[in-house]
Amino acid sequence: EAGVVQSPRYKIIEKKQPVAFWCNPISGHNTLYWYLQNLGQGPELLIRYENEEAVDDSQLPKDRFSAERLKGVDSTLKIQPAELGDSAVYLCASSLVRYNEQFFGPGTRLTVL
Amino acid sequence: QQPVQSPQAVILREGEDAVINCSSSKALYSVHWYRQKHGEAPVFLMILLKGGEQKGHDKISASFNEKKQQSSLYLTASQLSYSGTYFCGTYQGKGAGGTSYGKLTFGQGTILTVHP
Repeated sequence: EAGVVQSPRYKIIEKKQPVAFWCNPISGHNTLYWYLQNLGQGPELLIRYENEEAVDDSQLPKDRFSAERLKGVDSTLKIQPAELGDSAVYLCASSLVRYNEQFFGPGTRLTVL
Repeated sequence: QQPVQSPQAVILREGEDAVINCSSSKALYSVHWYRQKHGEAPVFLMILLKGGEQKGHDKISASFNEKKQQSSLYLTASQLSYSGTYFCGTYQGKGAGGTSYGKLTFGQGTILTVHP
């Protein structure tokens, strides 16, 4: 069974530029999560999808961050414009249903210069 | 609210045991444990769904004390492969039927290093 796929693995951009991250969850997993992980910290939830519906986006900075999950499968997280403080690892995870174990992708390491 | 893990770091020799604690100031309704190796994704270890529950596989086990609002992860006869950062994640809500709700909130992590 293929795991959660994320791309790109690494991204270096200058501040004020836009950036997008892509996630393909495990087949059949209805719940998809985007997390932000700063160095030395645990993952922090940005947004959770149940199928194609964003049901928990309270931690998403909506002035610059946006996300979508078309057809309830793949998802894209976008930042526009990026700021220096956005440098972090962005993790995507999926689970069969909401409270089950979460399977994480390898993450995208973003560096904003 | 973020659960608190202790210790922040622990260094072991192969074969030694370790305990990692995860506590919350709010009632816990379920606890997840994950391990993350440097530069890799967090990997699920186990879920504890109710107070008093204990689980384990291989030489890693965990307990959940609902009254004390804490969970502990036990690593027995540690192996080199156990090295990594261990995170607990907690659900602090309770929905209809006793299920957890809200979001999974992770602790700050415990760095475990096992030396030969």
